[in-house]
Amino acid sequence: AQSVTQLGSHVSVSEGALVLLRCNYSSSVPPYLFWYVQYPNQGLQLLLKYTSAATLVKGINGFEAEFKKSETSFHLTKPSAHMSDAAEYFCAVSDRSGNMLTFGGGTRLMVKP
Amino acid sequence: EPEVTQTPSHQVTQMGQEVILRCVPISNHLYFYWYRQILGQKVEFLVSFYNNEISEKSEIFDDQFSVERPDGSNFTLKIRSTKLEDSAMYFCASSRDTFTDTQYFGPGTRLTVL
Repeated sequence: AQSVTQLGSHVSVSEGALVLLRCNYSSSVPPYLFWYVQYPNQGLQLLLKYTSAATLVKGINGFEAEFKKSETSFHLTKPSAHMSDAAEYFCAVSDRSGNMLTFGGGTRLMVKP
Repeated sequence: EPEVTQTPSHQVTQMGQEVILRCVPISNHLYFYWYRQILGQKVEFLVSFYNNEISEKSEIFDDQFSVERPDGSNFTLKIRSTKLEDSAMYFCASSRDTFTDTQYFGPGTRLTVL
């Protein structure tokens, strides 16, 4: 069975500061990993995905994530936070069939001016 | 840019009533999904659907739930007899392919069971 753990349900950073959102996964097979963002009253939007190509994945809005097999991690980073980055972020893992995504609990990112 | 749409945005119903949540997936997509998120909890997979059949379903998706693609555009989730614990945000998603392909999510329907 797969699982995803996101450390920190709430993260607060200052505008311009580094954003680091943590995600650890458990999977019995090589995983496919995803980060989604949810803005208020909107659906989940894909930020980036890892599908066994390059371990450093670049996504939209300046976000990137690095797959580290030895640490079973897929942390999301952005060098400089913008006010518009305030949202909820979900890490997810896909099973081999791709039929379902297993989500972490989400991290709400707050950006202070 | 194509997007997944869902109606209604908010549905209020009495316990025991039937509800149908509607989704219009992206037009050239072949795989369809329902997820739900109870307030304060994780987003949970309910069911996936391909070629007019359920591909996979979770333990949550019991006999009270059903899905249908009644025509070429809509994808519906029916809950036959709603319970208080069915109150949640329900998300529809679609993808062109499975496996590594991106699932595109709709904005969700908030279901409140009284």
